[in-house]
Amino acid sequence: RKEVEQDPGPFNVPEGATVAFNCTYSNSASQSFFWYRQDCRKEPKLLMSVYSSGNEDGRFTAQLNRASQYISLLIRDSKLSDSATYLCVVSPAGTSYDKVIFGPGTSLSVIP
Amino acid sequence: SQTIHQWPATLVQPVGSPLSLECTVEGTSNPNLYWYRQAAGRGLQLLFYSVGIGQISSEVPQNLSASRPQDRQFILSSKKLLLSDSGFYLCAWGDGYTFGSGTRLTVV
Repeated sequence: RKEVEQDPGPFNVPEGATVAFNCTYSNSASQSFFWYRQDCRKEPKLLMSVYSSGNEDGRFTAQLNRASQYISLLIRDSKLSDSATYLCVVSPAGTSYDKVIFGPGTSLSVIP
Repeated sequence: SQTIHQWPATLVQPVGSPLSLECTVEGTSNPNLYWYRQAAGRGLQLLFYSVGIGQISSEVPQNLSASRPQDRQFILSSKKLLLSDSGFYLCAWGDGYTFGSGTRLTVV
């Protein structure tokens, strides 16, 4: 089993749609979780951290289920500008980043 | 504020030629620094990380090497490039992973 797995994608959705991305991780000792966004031919940028209680930032909602080792990202009312690849990131430690694992990413295209 | 600079943005090099990519960080001291590679259609692969001057850890055996001659400078090198070295190279520093803008390397 890969350390971090994501929906294979690509996701093609119309503007205004709600889309959900799923991510699973294999290391139960993982402590920190993030979603990154990567535009085509650009560097990844932090979208949001994922907290145990779940967290929301505007149209974006991230959730964590430690028991199932599962993370999700929900995007409501999709915009054309949301088109990008979304990377799930898992870290087993709070202070050392040498074991951070990036998922392969899920591509999203929002269609007019 | 902290910023990370990476250059060049794109590079086309012949097989067998040397490589030197540079990354510098401003606005912080003693940062953890990282080199990643992203091959076409694939995820980010950690190549090297450094917790201080002269301290380099390699994650995968490969045709590349890294050096940290100064606190805020991280260099990725190769003596002889292979076709398989093509990819998108990203430098990052350990504040929660802020990335440089990347270098797209094509080995021909």
